[in-house]
Amino acid sequence: EAGVAQSPRYKIIEKRQSVAFWCNPISGHATLYWYQQILGQGPKLLIQFQNNGVVDDSQLPKDRFSAERLKGVDSTLKIQPAKLEDSAVYLCASSSLRGDLTDTQYFGPGTRLTVL
Amino acid sequence: KQEVTQIPAALSVPEGENLVLNCSFTDSAIYNLQWFRQDPGKGLTSLLLIQSSQREQTSGRLNASLDKSSGRSTLYIAASQPGDSATYLCAVLTGANNLFFGTGTRLTVIP
Repeated sequence: EAGVAQSPRYKIIEKRQSVAFWCNPISGHATLYWYQQILGQGPKLLIQFQNNGVVDDSQLPKDRFSAERLKGVDSTLKIQPAKLEDSAVYLCASSSLRGDLTDTQYFGPGTRLTVL
Repeated sequence: KQEVTQIPAALSVPEGENLVLNCSFTDSAIYNLQWFRQDPGKGLTSLLLIQSSQREQTSGRLNASLDKSSGRSTLYIAASQPGDSATYLCAVLTGANNLFFGTGTRLTVIP
């Protein structure tokens, strides 16, 4: 079974530029998550999708961050414009969510973003 | 708001030692608790998952315990090996399938 795929693995941009990250979840997984992990901290949930609908985006800085999952499979996370404090690893995870809240989340390798 | 704390932040032990990592959480209304391993430049790998009704789970040299009422969990690693060097994260699952992570313990096992 292929794992969660993310690209790019690394990205360096200057502040005020835009950047987009891509995630392909495990085949058949209905739920997709984006997390932000700042150096020295644990991951923090940014947004959760169930199929192509948003379940929770309460911690997404909506003035600059946006995410979509148009066909209920792949997802993109965009930052526009980027700030220095956005430097972090952006992790994508997916789970099958059969309805019992016990489904393990499987994580991709992450995209390391550096904002200069 | 759920807060998860891990102690110590970093730990260095000689190969072969047994060790304990600690995790505490503020809100006991959780569905489960998971321990993850994170290697540099890699994603997270789930090690153990303890349901809220369980008190411990074991996998090989790893044993995790959960005391939900006191908001504590421990991860016990027996006979540590250099390959165990990584950052260990605990996370609690709350409603809507949201995982709240601790800040992690960075473990170094010295050969």
